[in-house]
This record gives sequence, structure tokens and C-alpha cells, in this order.
Amino acid sequence: KAGVTQTPRYLIKTRGQQVTLSCSPISGHRSVSWYQQTPGQGLQFLFEYFSETQRNKGNFPGRFSGRQFSNSRSEMNVSTLELGDSALYLCASSQDRKGEKLFFGSGTQLSVL
Amino acid sequence: GENVEQHPSTLSVQEGDSAVIKCTYSDSASNYFPWYKQELGKRPQLIIDIRSNVGEKKDQRIAVTLNKTAKHFSLHITETQPEDSAVYFCAPQGGKLIFGQGTELSVKP
Repeated sequence: KAGVTQTPRYLIKTRGQQVTLSCSPISGHRSVSWYQQTPGQGLQFLFEYFSETQRNKGNFPGRFSGRQFSNSRSEMNVSTLELGDSALYLCASSQDRKGEKLFFGSGTQLSVL
Repeated sequence: GENVEQHPSTLSVQEGDSAVIKCTYSDSASNYFPWYKQELGKRPQLIIDIRSNVGEKKDQRIAVTLNKTAKHFSLHITETQPEDSAVYFCAPQGGKLIFGQGTELSVKP
């Protein structure tokens, strides 16, 4: 069974641009959640989707958005990038119940110049 | 809002010693209590979890204990080995997917 796949692995953008990150969950998993990880800040929850519906959202500005498709693949978008958005963005999938037994992808390392 | 705190933030032990990391949470609706391990440069991985109807769970050298009344749960690692060196995160679940700030464990040979 393939694991959680995130693309791309690395991204370099400049301030003001927008970016789209992709996450393919483990086959059969219907929940996908997204996190921002920066040194010393741990894992900050962005949002969670289940069966194409956003079920929960963290405390991030509206520039951060996401969606989930019918095949459970998910994308997150960050518009009007700021220097402080530089981080590792991780997604995780789980089978059914919200937030339990998360399987993480390797992440997308975003650098904003 | 929900609050999750981990202590200590860093922990250094000698190989063979035990390590204990504590996670305190505020959401009384939390009913699932996992611990994740993230080695340097790698993705977080679930290492052990417990539900609110169980007080303790053990898996070889690691164990998790839960005190629901006091709203805290702990990760116990016995006979630590250098490969246990990593950052450990707790993530009590009952609503939003909130993680503790992490504990960096260093096991010195």
C-alpha cells in the first residue's frame, strides 16, 4: 500500500505569489489534514477535510485555503505569500475517524524569498 | 480555545535510562491520546495511542498512561537507545487536531 504522497517536495517562491500544494492520501483514507511546521513551533493545524467537506480549521489567515476532491486527494493554496510562510507543510491522512492514527507525508518545504 | 502543553521541551538521558514526557490538555471532550515520533528530517510517525476508557497501554519499551481526571497523559520509554533520539509530539483529540509543541529527546550512548 502506497503511503501519503506530497508534491512537490521543494518550492521556492517570492513574496506576493501564490502556491498550491498537493496531497494524495493512503488508498481508502477519507480524512486529510494539513499542518505547518517551523523550527521551534511544532505542528500547527491548518485544516482538515473528510469526504470533500472541511470539518475543522486552525487559526490561520484566509490566505490559506484548501479543498478535497472526490478521490480524497487534497490541495492547499496559499495566496499573497509572505516571508513568514516559509515552512514545511505536512499533510496526514486517516481512515475514518477524525484525527486518529494519522499517517504523514514527507512534506513540502516552501521557501518564500 | 483548546490548550496542549508538553513538558519538558528538551530531555537528555543516558542510554539505558528511562524517559518520561508529560502532556497536559484542557479540552475535556478529548477521548483519543496519541504520541508521535519525528526523527530528524523525517515525517512524524504514530508510536502509541490510547483511548479514554483505558488507563495504560504498553508496547515493548514504550507505554502511555492516562489520567483523565487531571487531564494529562504521559509517554514512558524504558531502556532508552540512541535510536530513540527524536522529537516527540502529543496530540490529544476531541475537536481540532492540536499538537503539543514537542519534546526533543536526546539519548547519549
